Amino acid sequence: DADVTQTPRNRITKTGKRIMLECSQTKGHDRMYWYRQDPGLGLRLIYYSFDVKDINKGEISDGYSVSRQAQAKFSLSLESAIPNQTALYFCATSRDSTYQPQHFGDGTRLSIL
Amino acid sequence: GENVEQHPSTLSVQEGDSAVIKCTYSDSASNYFPWYKQELGKRPQLIIDIRSNVGEKKDQRIAVTLNKTAKHFSLHITETQPEDSAVYFCAARGFSGSARQLTFGSGTQLTVLP
Repeated sequence: DADVTQTPRNRITKTGKRIMLECSQTKGHDRMYWYRQDPGLGLRLIYYSFDVKDINKGEISDGYSVSRQAQAKFSLSLESAIPNQTALYFCATSRDSTYQPQHFGDGTRLSIL
Repeated sequence: GENVEQHPSTLSVQEGDSAVIKCTYSDSASNYFPWYKQELGKRPQLIIDIRSNVGEKKDQRIAVTLNKTAKHFSLHITETQPEDSAVYFCAARGFSGSARQLTFGSGTQLTVLP
């Protein structure tokens, strides 16, 4: 089945380290997203991309950067990790249409010590 | 930008009873409203969605209603079962600019008691 795959699934690292979370999809969708989930705060948008040459900041982009290496790959980087970036991170994809839902990966649980 | 508020944050019901979760949104131009279910340790999954030109949509035991005038929409689950226990998120998509992205509510933890 077509899917959205995130790696790694879990990561523990130290303050100040650079971290990359990867997302790949076999759904053939053009749009890709990175979200952060914290207890009681829902899902907050970090960055989104409509195609390889189109990348946009979301609600909470400070401290994060992204790279759209191909239609199927979208990576999220934390240049210098800090403890308050400890969270569950989700990648999502969707078709290029207003009324299309987003499809999520299994998430990456990131802990920064 | 869009702001979505979701209530209640926790909800417990007896098996077989109905559950209702409510959301309000701020952008009157929002035109798409999906609902996601997230089981413990799993990814959010779409369970139902509604467009702004529709007032109600049903899928078996699940229904969503939309009141554009009041800017609120609700999820209704009838004949609840233990497997309905999960966190439910509402979302709204605006019409232009950055508001075209989904804004999520803060979630409702639904517990169905046997």
